[in-house]
Amino acid sequence: GAVVSQHPSWVICKSGTSVKIECRSLDFQATTMFWYRQFPKQSLMLMATSNEGSKATYEQGVEKDKFLINHASLTLSTLTVTSAHPEDSSFYICSADAGTAHQETQYFGPGTRLLVL
Amino acid sequence: TQLLEQSPQFLSIQEGENLTVYCNSSSVFSSLQWYRQEPGEGPVLLVTVVTGGEVKKLKRLTFQFGDARKDSSLHITAAQPGDTGLYLCAGQSYYGNNRLAFGKGNQVVVIP
Repeated sequence: GAVVSQHPSWVICKSGTSVKIECRSLDFQATTMFWYRQFPKQSLMLMATSNEGSKATYEQGVEKDKFLINHASLTLSTLTVTSAHPEDSSFYICSADAGTAHQETQYFGPGTRLLVL
Repeated sequence: TQLLEQSPQFLSIQEGENLTVYCNSSSVFSSLQWYRQEPGEGPVLLVTVVTGGEVKKLKRLTFQFGDARKDSSLHITAAQPGDTGLYLCAGQSYYGNNRLAFGKGNQVVVIP
């Protein structure tokens, strides 16, 4: 199956710093990638849809200036958490669309655990 | 908003028992997917069902898509500790976008 990687797998940072998370599709090209956030024992919360070569589409309540998304190539999307605060601590997961026009198939990365001190 | 409701939210069973979890919605989906997620990892795609009434088997896991394409079930036969995880269902709408609507998941714990 399609493989999606994320880097780093975990990161600890000080409050006020920025953190960049990379999401790569390793064996396929993805014009669309998705960024999710997951709190303990809860389901995935879609943050934004990342489209190659265009601006990301953010879900209601997600600050686009706080969570910067760049999708510069068909295999790479990045999420930058700017001026991180403890409340941004979470599990961030990306997925890449490997489906067709008629059937959506998302393959997920292994996730990035962010802890802001 | 397309809501997918999964039930039960939490299920604990003994090894060797059978279990069924459900994913229900009032919306019709063009396809529905099941994922399993283990703690600290990303969800792993198990199956995609597309046709109403479709049944797919993956070893001891049986997935069924409802005739009306609004619901799905996952049945596990002779559960093993390795089946422990959060099972997520996700549906794709007919509205032309490629976003999936996720349920909150069925947390399954299989006790050795």
